[in-house]
Amino acid sequence: VTLLEQNPRWRLVPRGQAVNLRCILKNSQYPWMSWYQQDLQKQLQWLFTLRSPGDKEVKSLPGADYLATRVTDTELRLQVANMSQGRTLYCTCRAGTGANERLFFGHGTKLSVL
Amino acid sequence: QQQVRQSPQSLTVWEGETAILNCSYEDSTFDYFPWYHQFPGESPALLIAIRPVSNKKEDGRFTIFFNKREKKFSLHIADSQPGDSATYFCAASDNNNAPRFGAGTKLSVKP
Repeated sequence: VTLLEQNPRWRLVPRGQAVNLRCILKNSQYPWMSWYQQDLQKQLQWLFTLRSPGDKEVKSLPGADYLATRVTDTELRLQVANMSQGRTLYCTCRAGTGANERLFFGHGTKLSVL
Repeated sequence: QQQVRQSPQSLTVWEGETAILNCSYEDSTFDYFPWYHQFPGESPALLIAIRPVSNKKEDGRFTIFFNKREKKFSLHIADSQPGDSATYFCAASDNNNAPRFGAGTKLSVKP
């Protein structure tokens, strides 16, 4: 069972254009949702954790600017702008507590610069 | 600031050998240390995790050794199999923060 549905799965982004990503949580029992980026060297980097509808945050990293929004209890969005290097964006949710805590990852959205 | 350091960057072992992957951390508030693995074309997935109430956690061929004093932890993969070939990430987190990941170790197990 897929807990997180991300779309699109991949996108070619013309230099200078922004792209909007979407993540849908299938089980609202795991409300702590996050975005991670994985660069071309496979490094995983935490971007945002947004818990409540209406939460918004911005961040600039080497190669891209981000705006994350928690739209509803089950929808998380990410706008990626000014991207100069390809990357994959993963949506995650946190499940369990204590020794059973784990992150579930979505399938990811692979972005390439055109 | 790199909060979690991982080594080696890549590791090749023969089938049947024990692979050892190492991590260290800086933040004393971290209290949860998972390892994730990622196969080519797939998303990361949890493999095994430990909390510092113990210094060892075993799950089949996979064992985490944890040293709180030195802020180090390692993943040992016994009797390595070609199917274990993947990229392995250590991570660390606390109650207030999402996991921070190491840079990853690409493991190749040769038959």
